[in-house]
Amino acid sequence: QKEVEQDPGPLSVPEGAIVSLNCTYSNSAFQYFMWYRQYSRKGPELLMYTYSSGNKEDGRFTAQVDKSSKYISLFIRDSQPSDSATYLCAMTGSGNTGKLIFGQGTTLQVKP
Amino acid sequence: DTGVSQDPRHKITKRGQNVTFRCDPISEHNRLYWYRQTLGQGPEFLTYFQNEAQLEKSRLLSDRFSAERPKGSFSTLEIQRTEQGDSAMYLCASSSGPLYGYTFGSGTRLTVV
Repeated sequence: QKEVEQDPGPLSVPEGAIVSLNCTYSNSAFQYFMWYRQYSRKGPELLMYTYSSGNKEDGRFTAQVDKSSKYISLFIRDSQPSDSATYLCAMTGSGNTGKLIFGQGTTLQVKP
Repeated sequence: DTGVSQDPRHKITKRGQNVTFRCDPISEHNRLYWYRQTLGQGPEFLTYFQNEAQLEKSRLLSDRFSAERPKGSFSTLEIQRTEQGDSAMYLCASSSGPLYGYTFGSGTRLTVV
């Protein structure tokens, strides 16, 4: 069993829809949770970063962490065709290395 | 500074050949990471440097793989006697703390034929 599980999709939604992306994890030592966006043939770029449980909002993006359920979510409001990409969740513990454990990634397509 | 730079962007090699990739991190970043990403999967950690010291290596990094970061600046990742299973995107990232300013390059896509 992988430490981080993420449904690969693909997920297809119409423009303007609310998108919900999720990951579950098994390692209770994870403290830092991130969402990355990756366009084809590019490296991942950081979207959201959350420490421990709670919510964080940045523009159209909201990240939620529920450590009791070992479940994290990313919501995208008013989705745009430019949001079409692969979304990767990543997490790490409180150790000092910065080694990230990634989910498989969910491919999102937003149709005009 | 234009971010993390990786060279080459794409490498095609025959099975059994050696290949070397280069990563130039953001100049003020003292931490450098290598990841491998296969098609349809998330990146997997390979190794980590703090300055010139290689502090952690994944079990994914077999004896055919070696990474260096001389003088704590750029880094190279060498794969000896390449196998078809080595075909993947090799990503480099750098940061100035465990998570601060963590930035990925665009990767080197390796195809072993």
